[in-house]
Amino acid sequence: SAVISQKPSRDICQRGTSLTIQCQVDSQVTMMFWYRQQPGQSLTLIATANQGSEATYESGFVIDKFPISRPNLTFSTLTVSNMSPEDSSIYLCSVDYYGYTFGSGTRLTVV
Amino acid sequence: QQQVKQSPQSLIVQKGGISIINCAYENTAFDYFPWYQQFPGKGPALLIAIRPDVSEKKEGRFTISFNKSAKQFSLHIMDSQPGDSATYFCAARYGGSQGNLIFGKGTKLSVKP
Repeated sequence: SAVISQKPSRDICQRGTSLTIQCQVDSQVTMMFWYRQQPGQSLTLIATANQGSEATYESGFVIDKFPISRPNLTFSTLTVSNMSPEDSSIYLCSVDYYGYTFGSGTRLTVV
Repeated sequence: QQQVKQSPQSLIVQKGGISIINCAYENTAFDYFPWYQQFPGKGPALLIAIRPDVSEKKEGRFTISFNKSAKQFSLHIMDSQPGDSATYFCAARYGGSQGNLIFGKGTKLSVKP
C-alpha cells in the first residue's frame, strides 16, 4: 500500500482565515480523496481529486469553501477557506493503491 | 441507499474474548468492503477487506464474515487484547476501482484486562 504524508499535523487558526493542507503520496495514483472527520464522528468524503481535471465535490461541500489542487500524480492540497469554528475537524487524505490508505490527518481548531 | 449502518456504537469485551461488530447496507452496487482501525490522534488504518464473491476472509485474529443475500458483513476479533482498544469503522465502496468509500458511524471497542 501507499505511504501518505500529510502536513500540517495540527493547527489552530483564527476565524475568517484560510488553511492549506498538503498531501504527498509515495506512489503515483489516479485519484486522491479528501475526507473530514468531525470530533467523535465518522469520515465524510469532501471531494475526489483527479490529476488534470477539476475535483468532484460531494453534496454539502463546495469549491469556494474547499478548493483543491492536484498538480501531479503524487500531490494534492485542500484549502479550508474563510474558516469558522464549525470547520474544526480532522481532515484526511486517502488514496487507493492496493487498498485504501489514509494519511495521519490534520487536526484543525478554529477559534 | 448510500448508507452503511454499523452496530454497536460501543463495545466492552474482556481480554481473550471475541469482539463482534456488524454492518449492513442496501446498495447492491457496493463492491468492496474494508474495515479500519483508528487510534486517537491517528488516521484510520486498513485492517482487512473483502469482496462480495467471498463469504469469509481471515487475517490473523481478524475475520470478516460476509452475507451477500442479507447485505450484512461483520468483523470478528478473536482473542481480543487491550491493545485492540480503538474505534473500528466499516466501509463500502461504490463506483468500482478508485471509487468512493462510504463509512459506518464507528464502534468504540474497549478491551478490559
